[in-house]
Amino acid sequence: ELKVEQNPLFLSMQEGKNYTIYCNYSTTSDRLYWYRQDPGKSLESLFVLLSNGAVKQEGRLMASLDTKARLSTLHITAAVHDLSATYFCAPYYGGATNKLIFGTGTLLAVQP
Amino acid sequence: DAGVTQSPTHLIKTRGQQVTLRCSPKSGHDTVSWYQQALGQGPQFIFQYYEEEERQRGNFPDRFSGHQFPNYSSELNVNALLLGDSALYLCASSLDAGSWFTNEKLFFGSGTQLSVL
Repeated sequence: ELKVEQNPLFLSMQEGKNYTIYCNYSTTSDRLYWYRQDPGKSLESLFVLLSNGAVKQEGRLMASLDTKARLSTLHITAAVHDLSATYFCAPYYGGATNKLIFGTGTLLAVQP
Repeated sequence: DAGVTQSPTHLIKTRGQQVTLRCSPKSGHDTVSWYQQALGQGPQFIFQYYEEEERQRGNFPDRFSGHQFPNYSSELNVNALLLGDSALYLCASSLDAGSWFTNEKLFFGSGTQLSVL
């Protein structure tokens, strides 16, 4: 069974602090997506990681992928309130599966 | 260029009723996937349509069915609604099932919030 686990599930942090969200998945995948979701809204694509060792950065967010460890991380640098949202990772499985499997989500609350 | 559009945005139904949700893919996209997102959960894959046929299906009962039209738009139908069907239903489009994962991000619509009373 394909499983994707994120931790923490809930993260409350102060502005200006750094933190990392972890995404572990049960079955090897060489492509992984990170999404952001605001309350009551749809999914906004943040990053597409296409290979082992891939690292992408945009603003205060940086994502990385370790396919051998089946682990992806989303690092937040100097958090600001605008980053408050739920973050999902989703590894891609091709072949007969051909779909994204979403993680449990991490609710991030950045306090002023 | 319009992105993925879904209608309606909100819907309230009662148990046992049937519902149809609609999705128009991003211009140039020919593949549509549907996801169900229950409150506090991650999206769950329902099925995917390509060339007017269902290509892949997630772990959902036959009460969930779909259709894709020649213009690539898609419908999701749910029969005999249950309380547990209350969720945000998301539609995602891509160029084709093979290439979109490598070349571009998956585009999601704003979703249809379905409430079953």
